[in-house]
Parts: sequence; C-alpha cells; structure tokens
Amino acid sequence: EADIYQTPRYLVIGTGKKITLECSQTMGHDKMYWYQQDPGMELHLIHYSYGVNSTEKGDLSSESTVSRIRTEHFPLTLESARPSHTSQYLCASRQGADYGYTFGSGTRLTVV
Amino acid sequence: AQSVSQHNHHVILSEAASLELGCNYSYGGTVNLFWYVQYPGQHLQLLLKYFSGDPLVKGIKGFEAEFIKSKFSFNLRKPSVQWSDTAEYFCAVNVPSSASKIIFGSGTRLSIRP
Repeated sequence: EADIYQTPRYLVIGTGKKITLECSQTMGHDKMYWYQQDPGMELHLIHYSYGVNSTEKGDLSSESTVSRIRTEHFPLTLESARPSHTSQYLCASRQGADYGYTFGSGTRLTVV
Repeated sequence: AQSVSQHNHHVILSEAASLELGCNYSYGGTVNLFWYVQYPGQHLQLLLKYFSGDPLVKGIKGFEAEFIKSKFSFNLRKPSVQWSDTAEYFCAVNVPSSASKIIFGSGTRLSIRP
C-alpha cells in the first residue's frame, strides 16, 4: 500500500473550469514530482519540488502550476482546463537520490 | 540529456515462457537504473533497482535485471512468466545529482496468455 495519496481518482470536467489535483504523502519525503502519462506512452515530468517553497518546471511544458507550502502536500492546479489537458496525472515522492520513487494511484482527468 | 528506450511496445507470451524486455539508456556516466511495473488499475510499483555493485539485480516476484555498462543496457528477465505478470513495465534512469529526477521509457505492455 503506497503512502502517497492522490484525489480524485477520476475527474470529468467542462472546458474552462479551474481544478486542483491533490497529492499528499505521509513519509516525510522532501522530493516530490508530478508526471503526465497518456495511454501507452512514457511518463513526462511536468513539475517537481525539493522541499517547502521549492518548485520547478519539468521537462514537458505544462500550463499547470504547483505549490509546496507543506512537506506532505504538493497540489497541482489548472486555472482553465482544456480538452488537451485530458491525461493521467501521477504524483510521486522520493526519500533521496539513493531511492526510487513511491507513486500515488494517479488522477485520470477528462476535460470535455 | 539522458533518455531511455524500450524497443518492445507490446509483448505477448504464453504462461511458463521465458521473458526478456529490452531497455537501453543514453548517458555515459554513472547512472541509477530502475524497473517499475504497473498492474491493471494499480499504481506504479518499483520492481527492482540498480545503483552499484553486482550488475545482476534480483527484484520482487522472480524478476531480475542485468546491467551491462558497455551496452548501456538494463534488460529485465524472468525465467517463467505467469498470467499475473500481465502489466505495463517501465524502465527508468536517474543521473545521481541534485536534480534527482527519474527519466522513464515509453513502457512495454506484457500480455500473458493463460
């Protein structure tokens, strides 16, 4: 059982809506990440954080934003959702460079 | 920039067949290597990892992988697959640094015929 939680698991919303995807971990990890994954495709890093008040954009350009006010919480926000944002969003955390990721179960977002 | 290639997009095997999934990475220096598995409807889980030492790494559920530095490869193997091994398998690489980001391959979908 992963100690990293994502909500909601599934979300269908209309174009133009503002949404926040939640990600929380109980392991005290400093490093947290957001990946975007389309079916049958690789995972693309869109945001990451090394700790509180630290956020960076990833390798894939994204219109989303993130915040890291608390160690355990790393939410991702889309100010105005579009159909091109339809994808699966995976949150992960890591204890350090000598460890792998722990992943959440993902949020599958559909924008109609 | 480092990248990961998984050449097999979809592999179909019968139960008890042997499995080898290819993974190649592009980076000339020290790397950490991972295999992740995603069972249908479940989150990604770490199958095994290589950081240093013995290049033959054993993971969970009878999987193993061999790091061959000269070939920039980290192939995943299992001597005898089971129907429950049906899943998506992702190879990943990380260059040890302050960035601490893991780069993933495109994944290989494994289907096992009962």
